[in-house]
Amino acid sequence: AQSVTQLDSHVSVSEGTPVLLRCNYSSSYSPSLFWYVQHPNKGLQLLLKYTSAATLVKGINGFEAEFKKSETSFHLTKPSAHMSDAAEYFCVVRGLLDDKIIFGKGTRLHILP
Amino acid sequence: EPEVTQTPSHQVTQMGQEVILRCVPISNHLYFYWYRQILGQKVEFLVSFYNNEISEKSEIFDDQFSVERPDGSNFTLKIRSTKLEDSAMYFCASTELGVVTTGELFFGEGSRLTVL
Repeated sequence: AQSVTQLDSHVSVSEGTPVLLRCNYSSSYSPSLFWYVQHPNKGLQLLLKYTSAATLVKGINGFEAEFKKSETSFHLTKPSAHMSDAAEYFCVVRGLLDDKIIFGKGTRLHILP
Repeated sequence: EPEVTQTPSHQVTQMGQEVILRCVPISNHLYFYWYRQILGQKVEFLVSFYNNEISEKSEIFDDQFSVERPDGSNFTLKIRSTKLEDSAMYFCASTELGVVTTGELFFGEGSRLTVL
């Protein structure tokens, strides 16, 4: 069975400063890991995914995430926040052997001017 | 760019009424999913569907719920006798891949259900 924990329900950063959204996972097998973003009143959009290839994954809008097996982490980062990054971010894990995809509780990112 | 579409975007219903939420997955996708998100809470898996049958369902997906693919394009979620706690955003998703794969899930924009 797999699970995912997003350590912060809210993160606030100033525009132009780095973003770090934390995610830890638990999985019996090699997982696939995803970050999705949800802007207000919008659906879920894929930011990036890890699928057992390169451990540093680059996504859209300047985001990237690093898979660290030893720490069971898949933290999302961006060097410089933009106002348009304000949204809810979900870390998602998918196990190797089933169809079920588990969402973290989400982290709401606030960008301060 | 292909996308998953959902209707209605918002539905208000009285407790005890039946509701059908509709989804049109991306045309070459084979696996379909329903998720729900109660306001302020996490996104929860409801059910996955492949080859015209349920492949997996969560504890939430009890006899009150059913899914159907009535034709080649629509994928519906029916909620019988709605309860107040069914109020949520319901997301449909599809993927061209399934078990033992790493396919991306494509989500619709959601159907907000409000039960009064």
